[in-house]
Amino acid sequence: ETGVTQSPTHLIKTRGQQVTLRCSSQSGHNTVSWYQQALGQGPQFIFQYYREEENGRGNFPPRFSGLQFPNYSSELNVNALELDDSALYLCASSWGGRGNEQYFGPGTRLTVT
Amino acid sequence: QQQVKQSPQSLIVQKGGISIINCAYENTAFDYFPWYQQFPGKGPALLIAIRPDVSEKKEGRFTISFNKSAKQFSLHIMDSQPGDSATYFCARNAGNMLTFGGGTRLMVKP
Repeated sequence: ETGVTQSPTHLIKTRGQQVTLRCSSQSGHNTVSWYQQALGQGPQFIFQYYREEENGRGNFPPRFSGLQFPNYSSELNVNALELDDSALYLCASSWGGRGNEQYFGPGTRLTVT
Repeated sequence: QQQVKQSPQSLIVQKGGISIINCAYENTAFDYFPWYQQFPGKGPALLIAIRPDVSEKKEGRFTISFNKSAKQFSLHIMDSQPGDSATYFCARNAGNMLTFGGGTRLMVKP
């Protein structure tokens, strides 16, 4: 177990709705990265938050947004859900913003119908 | 554009055998190369990682070999066990993001 927790475990939403996913980082870590993992594929980087600021973003549209709180926990928000947003959403915790090992949580399985 | 190419996509090994998974990367800028193990319905678990100034790293039954000139690295699982059956991902860390390979589904037969 990494100490990284995510909630909820599973979520079912309808196309067009909005969703918020939550992540608590491992003790001592100040960086949270979010990844999307479609079925049968490797995780894809969405963005990273370091010291409450966005610290890099992958090839995802602006309807994917996030926050990091002073306790280093983080939220991922997705607006205007599309069917292709159905995936396992993973957060990873690390220290220092770059170049250090990232430890993943168990993920949130999002299904968009 | 896939920046980390992983092979094979699937692998079947007998218990006690050696499992070998290979990855190739394209860019030269990187911080380190981690390997992750993922069981169905779970998040990826960091297995072992290597930095570019080292050619080999061993932890228990798991060994990473790194060939900087060929831009390739590989994972060897010695004495493979049925409990090793999982999907394995290689990745490249450059800066703040991980770029993953496509994954290798390993099955270890008893």
